[in-house]
Amino acid sequence: DVKVTQSSRYLVKRTGEKVFLECVQDMDHENMFWYRQDPGLGLRLIYFSYDVKMKEKGDIPEGYSVSREKKERFSLILESASTNQTSMYLCASSPAQGGFLGEQYFGPGTRLTVT
Amino acid sequence: ELKVEQNPLFLSMQEGKNYTIYCNYSTTSDRLYWYRQDPGKSLESLFVLLSNGAVKQEGRLMASLDTKARLSTLHITAAVHDLSATYFCAVYSSGTYKYIFGTGTRLKVLA
Repeated sequence: DVKVTQSSRYLVKRTGEKVFLECVQDMDHENMFWYRQDPGLGLRLIYFSYDVKMKEKGDIPEGYSVSREKKERFSLILESASTNQTSMYLCASSPAQGGFLGEQYFGPGTRLTVT
Repeated sequence: ELKVEQNPLFLSMQEGKNYTIYCNYSTTSDRLYWYRQDPGKSLESLFVLLSNGAVKQEGRLMASLDTKARLSTLHITAAVHDLSATYFCAVYSSGTYKYIFGTGTRLKVLA
């Protein structure tokens, strides 16, 4: 089974702190994604990566950065946390299949609260 | 820009009844995914629909894809309480290499 793990299930941080969310997948997937999920807004893509050291902005990248130094690990960084970044953060991975993206496998999520 | 709309957003139904969730999308795509999310948990893949006319079934759930109408349906047959969850569809955008998610349908099956 594909396994996607995230470093924390729950996290509480103070405004202005630098926050690191880690995601690791064990299926050698090329593609990795970070989403945030908010009530009534569904899933919104923050960043994704289709290869090591490659990254692409999603729909809401402002206030976030990412790092992918190894194929299995994709980190989301909140440079200076703000209260409007309180949310559920979901990591996902997917294989590349002939130029298309296959189905995504999601991690358990990190519920981040910024106070 | 690809947009994905799901309806209804909320659905409360009695056990044993049938219902359909609709997923409409705005531009051409031939890859559509359905996911289930239980409260407080992450998303679990249900179906992958890869071509026009594709139909997949698992237990009481059946998903279909009509790429010409840009429509996918998730049909629930004889609902049971265990199907209570939020269901998302997601469409692959080949132009941007992204998955675009619908806002989800929160299903509650009443005993």
